[in-house]
Amino acid sequence: AQSVTQLGSHVSVSEGALVLLRCNYSSSVPPYLFWYVQYPNQGLQLLLKYTTGATLVKGINGFEAEFKKSETSFHLTKPSAHMSDAAEYFCAVRRRGAQKLVFGQGTRLTINP
Amino acid sequence: EAQVTQNPRYLITVTGKKLTVTCSQNMNHEYMSWYRQDPGLGLRQIYYSMNVEVTDKGDVPEGYKVSRKEKRNFPLILESPSPNQTSLYFCASSFQPGQGNSPLHFGNGTRLTVT
Repeated sequence: AQSVTQLGSHVSVSEGALVLLRCNYSSSVPPYLFWYVQYPNQGLQLLLKYTTGATLVKGINGFEAEFKKSETSFHLTKPSAHMSDAAEYFCAVRRRGAQKLVFGQGTRLTINP
Repeated sequence: EAQVTQNPRYLITVTGKKLTVTCSQNMNHEYMSWYRQDPGLGLRQIYYSMNVEVTDKGDVPEGYKVSRKEKRNFPLILESPSPNQTSLYFCASSFQPGQGNSPLHFGNGTRLTVT
């Protein structure tokens, strides 16, 4: 069965520092990959997605993620954290041809002033 | 504005009292789905619908019902709620997921407490 693992349920960085949120998936065939962000009291909002083609994907709010097939990873990064980035982030995968989007456990990002 | 609308946002009820959480989307999406979000477990799929009159179970369907009589609406029904159904619920929709790159659009959630 498809699974997604997000390493670290909580990540804390200083404002202006690099943000790195880790996501690994288990699949013999590369799935479709997504990152979502959830701000307090809101639904999930799509940050970026990987389907095919270029392995470095740019999303909204300065985030990007790189698909690495050899490492079965899709880590999310942002060069310089902003206070407004504080939220919960979810990595999700969908096996090709399947309907279900499978979510990781989520990583809560805290930004320190 | 393209959106998925859930109601109510907050609901407190007692064990056994039937309730319905409504979900409506205005994007003409074929696919709709319900998830519940619990701490440390991420989001788990309850039910989904590939199109009108086509619904199927997700990973945690016990205690829930759904219907899809119209394309835009996908209500979640709890016939006899229990405290273990206390959770944050999300409705989501997209174009056919078989196309792969169609992302889910989420509602703002319904926080349900069953006492």
